[in-house]
Amino acid sequence: DAGITQSPRHKVTETGTPVTLRCHQTENHRYMYWYRQDPGHGLRLIHYSYGVKDTDKGEVSDGYSVSRSKTEDFLLTLESATSSQTSVYFCAISELAGANTGELFFGEGSRLTVL
Amino acid sequence: TQLLEQSPQFLSIQEGENLTVYCNSSSVFSSLQWYRQEPGEGPVLLVTVVTGGEVKKLKRLTFQFGDARKDSSLHITAAQPGDTGLYLCAGAFNTGNQFYFGTGTSLTVIP
Repeated sequence: DAGITQSPRHKVTETGTPVTLRCHQTENHRYMYWYRQDPGHGLRLIHYSYGVKDTDKGEVSDGYSVSRSKTEDFLLTLESATSSQTSVYFCAISELAGANTGELFFGEGSRLTVL
Repeated sequence: TQLLEQSPQFLSIQEGENLTVYCNSSSVFSSLQWYRQEPGEGPVLLVTVVTGGEVKKLKRLTFQFGDARKDSSLHITAAQPGDTGLYLCAGAFNTGNQFYFGTGTSLTVIP
């Protein structure tokens, strides 16, 4: 199994508070992705990284920011959490980009509830 | 709206039945992948198809990439309870780093 760890696995917070989710990998893969999973929507890309300090937006990036200061860590921050951000968040890693038919390896997910 | 739409969204069948899940788009993809996700876990890759018209088989699962590379199907023969899970298609273009996921199909196989 690919070495991907997400933390925290579960979090309940209140509207307006900042939240940071962490993804840690031990595979030295170049690409890292943050997705959110909601019923009826499958997985939607929030942000991704293609190298240290290199990030780009996905299709649902509003209200989220990311940082990657080391190859192994990719942080997702909700600056001011809203109830619409209640979701399950998945981190994924890949050795190759989508255009190169990479394979995504996923963490176990972080369930976030915003009250 | 998402680039990839899957149908049906939910499917509940008896053990031993056959089923087909569809993944459709108006966009042309360079590759199409299928993942399966079990409750409480992340998705796991089942297959990648890259050529229009390509058919791949994985035991009782048959995957097909449409000739125009806009759609794909997953057919399961003689479904078993172990096939229960969420099936997700994901497409990629010939440039870029992203993987675009479909809306998902939740399959329940009843013993």
